[in-house]
Amino acid sequence: DAKTTQPPSMDCAEGRAANLPCNHSTISGNEYVYWYRQIHSQGPQYIIHGLKNNETNEMASLIITEDRKSSTLILPHATLRDTAVYYCIAGMDSNYQLIWGAGTKLIIKP
Amino acid sequence: DTEVTQTPKHLVMGMTNKKSLKCEQHMGHRAMYWYKQKAKKPPELMFVYSYEKLSINESVPSRFSPECPNSSLLNLHLHALQPEDSALYLCASSQVVRSGQPQHFGDGTRLSIL
Repeated sequence: DAKTTQPPSMDCAEGRAANLPCNHSTISGNEYVYWYRQIHSQGPQYIIHGLKNNETNEMASLIITEDRKSSTLILPHATLRDTAVYYCIAGMDSNYQLIWGAGTKLIIKP
Repeated sequence: DTEVTQTPKHLVMGMTNKKSLKCEQHMGHRAMYWYKQKAKKPPELMFVYSYEKLSINESVPSRFSPECPNSSLLNLHLHALQPEDSALYLCASSQVVRSGQPQHFGDGTRLSIL
């Protein structure tokens, strides 16, 4: 089961790109990287996931390094509503449970 | 807005009460999950249903009883809970139980045991 390392907190100015790093150096070849966020008092919200290639959707972009040992979630134009705890998850255990790390608390400042 | 709907949003119950939490999804997903989340901690998996059959029980005490009446609905029946069971209970769904299938969560039921 791959573990992840994320900075405990980050700040970003409103309107700028927020780049959230994640280290998952023990990830195996068939494990996906997932990103979720959780805004206070709400359930986790799925953002994006990928295996090897970079991915983009309407919310964010996911950049995975060629060796797959780290990834970066990019929110292109951060708004105040993007303030949340962001979880990087590298794979699942044998019971298909997502292996959650401690997350990064992202604060968007006006 | 989430596509997984959970009711009620809040529930306060005594240790001798019986209550049920409900979860509904209309995305055609065939896998549904119950999680428990304590404050400032990540969610912990409790149960997994695959094609309406219980496939995983993470050693959850019998005072929690899951039920999947059909592919869109998931219930969690509660009986004789303890104060330490107070938590946010989250439901999630995915297309199937498989790596690479993201799980989509509801906003949870915040449960308080008196």
